[in-house]
Amino acid sequence: DAKTTQPPSMDCAEGRAANLPCNHSTISGNEYVYWYRQIHSQGPQYIIHGLKNNETNEMASLIITEDRKSSTLILPHATLRDTAVYYCTTKAAGNKLTFGGGTRVLVKP
Amino acid sequence: DGGITQSPKYLFRKEGQNVTLSCEQNLNHDAMYWYRQDPGQGLRLIYYSQIVNDFQKGDIAEGYSVSREKKESFPLTVTSAQKNPTAFYLCATSPQRSTETQYFGPGTRLLVL
Repeated sequence: DAKTTQPPSMDCAEGRAANLPCNHSTISGNEYVYWYRQIHSQGPQYIIHGLKNNETNEMASLIITEDRKSSTLILPHATLRDTAVYYCTTKAAGNKLTFGGGTRVLVKP
Repeated sequence: DGGITQSPKYLFRKEGQNVTLSCEQNLNHDAMYWYRQDPGQGLRLIYYSQIVNDFQKGDIAEGYSVSREKKESFPLTVTSAQKNPTAFYLCATSPQRSTETQYFGPGTRLLVL
């Protein structure tokens, strides 16, 4: 599975959109992009995943570049409860899910 | 979480003792996984099971053992051979191999005294 690179931390203002970048330049054609988040001392929570089309659900939107080498997770209206570590990972069917260090997001009032 | 139960939430172990962490799910998911997380780090895969009575080693299986006698249960035993067992342990499930989205339990924090 491709290695992913995320900024270690970022702040965003409550009520504003939070845009979380992820680089996965070595992604292969059969690998999906997955996003999870982990609130302190809890299990990771699945957010969204996609292959090449942009995806949206009730939690977030996922924008994948045309060359699939990077993606952006968008939290449309960040709340204080969105403060967490956000993990971007790639995975092909049948392969293991791996998590790197993630991005520590702090939503400020 | 929500259908994946891990117990206990906190567990204390004396050095040299084996300890078993419980993971139960009522989601009817075929696959189950155990991960270890150290402070400030990502997750590392210990063991996984795609089907009852079958399981495979992950990246850091040494010092751990598992069983999968029932679809709903995937207990993890941390043996005395695990030299640095203090960590946050997470169980996850996925519906079936082809779907692969994993859902996580609330975790068990193991502390060695």
